Amino acid sequence: KQEVTQIPAALSVPEGENLVLNCSFTDSAIYNLQWFRQDPGKGLTSLLLIQSSQREQTSGRLNASLDKSSGRSTLYIAASQPGDSATYLCAVKFAGTASKLTFGTGTRLQVTL
Amino acid sequence: GAGVSQSPSNKVTEKGKDVELRCDPISGHTALYWYRQRLGQGLEFLIYFQGNSAPDKSGLPSDRFSAERTGESVSTLTIQRTQQEDSAVYLCASSFEVSGNTIYFGEGSWLTVV
Repeated sequence: KQEVTQIPAALSVPEGENLVLNCSFTDSAIYNLQWFRQDPGKGLTSLLLIQSSQREQTSGRLNASLDKSSGRSTLYIAASQPGDSATYLCAVKFAGTASKLTFGTGTRLQVTL
Repeated sequence: GAGVSQSPSNKVTEKGKDVELRCDPISGHTALYWYRQRLGQGLEFLIYFQGNSAPDKSGLPSDRFSAERTGESVSTLTIQRTQQEDSAVYLCASSFEVSGNTIYFGEGSWLTVV
């Protein structure tokens, strides 16, 4: 079964810390992997998209890596800010199921002052 | 419009009533997705449309759920004879093509069945 797992489920860090969110997936045959952020009561905002052929993508303070062979992706957030507080979701488009993204259950991040 | 637009943003309905949820994708996006997110849970895939191809309905939880899309425009998700377990936020998303591009989500339609 194609599944996506995110660890930890929740994380609290003080402002200014660098942090890493983890995503693992059960099948290395993927089209791409996408990281989203979800604020309470809101929809999803796309952060980074990594294609199957890529190793990493960067946007501002965010860096996402992809290691297909080990079925892992990490989202690195540098110099965290209270505004980064949200739930971060990892979603994988597995090969053969190009019609949908399979989501992890998310990591709920709180950045404290 | 600039993003994926969904309506209504909030809907409270009585058990047994039918509801219709609407999604306006980003202009030019050929792929459209519906997901459901129950309180405190992850996103469940419901249905996907790609151009004029037959939709992938594999995620629809029962025959009370149906969705339509005309060409590459608006989509409606219909839930008949609503049940309390249908209470969730229904999220619509769109993208330019199936496999390679970023998927953009709307703000969702929050459905409460009482």
